[in-house]
Amino acid sequence: DSGVTQTPKHLITATGQRVTLRCSPRSGDLSVYWYQQSLDQGLQFLIQYYNGEERAKGNILERFSAQQFPDLHSELNLSSLELGDSALYFCASSVIPGQEQFFGPGTRLTVL
Amino acid sequence: AQTVTQSQPEMSVQEAETVTLSCTYDTSESDYYLFWYKQPPSRQMILVIRQEAYKQQNATENRFSVNFQKAAKSFSLKISDSQLGDAAMYFCAYRTPQGAQKLVFGQGTRLTINP
Repeated sequence: DSGVTQTPKHLITATGQRVTLRCSPRSGDLSVYWYQQSLDQGLQFLIQYYNGEERAKGNILERFSAQQFPDLHSELNLSSLELGDSALYFCASSVIPGQEQFFGPGTRLTVL
Repeated sequence: AQTVTQSQPEMSVQEAETVTLSCTYDTSESDYYLFWYKQPPSRQMILVIRQEAYKQQNATENRFSVNFQKAAKSFSLKISDSQLGDAAMYFCAYRTPQGAQKLVFGQGTRLTINP
């Protein structure tokens, strides 16, 4: 157990819908990262937050957004969902950027 | 942009034998970090081993060791005395110490352990 929690574990929804994935970092970790793992794209970095502020963006679609709250948990919002958004979404956290990243168990999103 | 390549989509090894997984990367930076992550069927991403580019000594963690060749941009993982629990997807990853400090992953190698 890495200490990073993600909810829900599984999510099944329809095209065009909006979902929110939640991540609670390890106690004391200020930095949160979101990654997407799909069959065709592999593991890709989406976005990073540090102490409530967006720090870096990767291959994140405009339909996706995220935020980190004052209690340091983070949410990834996916809207206007398409079949291709079906993937495993990981959250990882580290004490500060540049330190080791610990991964949560992931949320498996299925878009039908 | 940095890229990571794992040229072996699948590997298999007999239990108790040794196996080496290959990884190459491309970067213009001199200071960075390299990692091997294990992803078992549970899908959890587990850090196996890390290597700082400025360190010449190869990292080791029990049965896991790396062969880091900086000039060749090669970072292979050796698993000794393979165990059934080692069966998993293995991902090589690169991270810069500055900027986004994101992880850039290879496509993965699926390792099967034959009893």
